[in-house]
Amino acid sequence: AQSVTQLDSQVPVFEEAPVELRCNYSSSVSVYLFWYVQYPNQGLQLLLKYLSGSTLVKGINGFEAEFNKSQTSFHLRKPSVHISDTAEYFCAVGQKGGATNKLIFGTGTLLAVQP
Amino acid sequence: GAGVSQSPRYKVAKRGQDVALRCDPISGHVSLFWYQQALGQGPEFLTYFQNEAQLDKSGLPSDRFFAERPEGSVSTLKIQRTQQEDSAVYLCASSLLVNSYNSPLHFGNGTRLTVT
Repeated sequence: AQSVTQLDSQVPVFEEAPVELRCNYSSSVSVYLFWYVQYPNQGLQLLLKYLSGSTLVKGINGFEAEFNKSQTSFHLRKPSVHISDTAEYFCAVGQKGGATNKLIFGTGTLLAVQP
Repeated sequence: GAGVSQSPRYKVAKRGQDVALRCDPISGHVSLFWYQQALGQGPEFLTYFQNEAQLDKSGLPSDRFFAERPEGSVSTLKIQRTQQEDSAVYLCASSLLVNSYNSPLHFGNGTRLTVT
């Protein structure tokens, strides 16, 4: 079984400051890793994903994440945030070779960007 | 084109009532998922369809929950004899390919169910 831990339920940050949203996972098998964003009153949107290859993954809106297998982490970073980045961010894992491509989500981190 | 559409957007049910939640996936999408998102939590997997076949229903919390996709397009999630713990946002997602890890997974805006 897999699990995902997002320790920070809320991260306040000032506009134009850098931000890191933490994600750790647990799994007995190899996994794929995802970050989704949920803006108010909107559906979940994929920010980026790691399937294989380079451990540094770049996504939309200037976000990037680095897969660290030894630390079982997939932290999300952005060097300079905007007010419009205010949203809930979810880390998720999927099992490689699983029967269905379901996702296991973390509890989410609310990124609150202040002017 | 249109994205994944879910209806109703909001549903209030009295405890014990049956409800039906509808999902219209993107046309031609093979994979369809249902997730349940309780307040303050991340989405939790309920069930998965590949075309009309329900290949995984391991996440359905009880036999009161039933899902179908009879023609491989529209899907309905039915909850019988609703309980207060069923209150949540129910999300539907679809993907073009069987391997949805490799093709984008499109989520609907969800149906917020409140059981009073």
